[in-house]
Amino acid sequence: GAVVSQHPSRVICKSGTSVKIECRSLDFQATTMFWYRQFPKQSLMLMATSNEGSKATYEQGVEKDKFLINHASLTLSTLTVTSAHPEDSSFYICSAPLGGASNSPLHFGNGTRLTVT
Amino acid sequence: DAKTTQPPSMDCAEGRAANLPCNHSTISGNEYVYWYRQIHSQGPQYIIHGLKNNETNEMASLIITEDRKSSTLILPHATLRDTAVYYCIVRVAGGGNKLTFGTGTQLKVEL
Repeated sequence: GAVVSQHPSRVICKSGTSVKIECRSLDFQATTMFWYRQFPKQSLMLMATSNEGSKATYEQGVEKDKFLINHASLTLSTLTVTSAHPEDSSFYICSAPLGGASNSPLHFGNGTRLTVT
Repeated sequence: DAKTTQPPSMDCAEGRAANLPCNHSTISGNEYVYWYRQIHSQGPQYIIHGLKNNETNEMASLIITEDRKSSTLILPHATLRDTAVYYCIVRVAGGGNKLTFGTGTQLKVEL
């Protein structure tokens, strides 16, 4: 069964509003989680690394003030898309490593389809 | 992390083995090979990973060449539900766990 849960699976919002996406690790703790974004017919692009108890690390070109990440607990990370615009419409996917080893595989949530109108 | 090269697409008949190749000629000694797949509109699904030995689990087998410059993912009896984009990713252990996705191979399993 799923080990990473993401909510909501789909969201439609108006331009200028903010949207929060939750990512939970089920039955395991994750001090680190990763947020990806995927545009149609493209591959996944890493946006940021979410760290429990400290600030997120953003990839080059990702605006930290626009994509707010909060790693509130060892099982929950949230991504808030602030002042969303149509170009933010995308498939957002979170992931977490299952296991404490440095080669532990990442497990992914089922993604959130964001549509900004 | 080392780059990988995969064919953009492959076809396979249902019930036959699907052999998906991946070239990672610049892989270094501490980099693992990971395979994921993504079915349309879903999050990626972990399949298998390995360092230098061949690996097998309930989903697939991973064959890594002795020089580690290439690998093959084998789905022994492909079904229509195996139609997906398959990603081969190499990543250094201790590299913060993050994965960098390439363009993958679109596998189409047909009757």
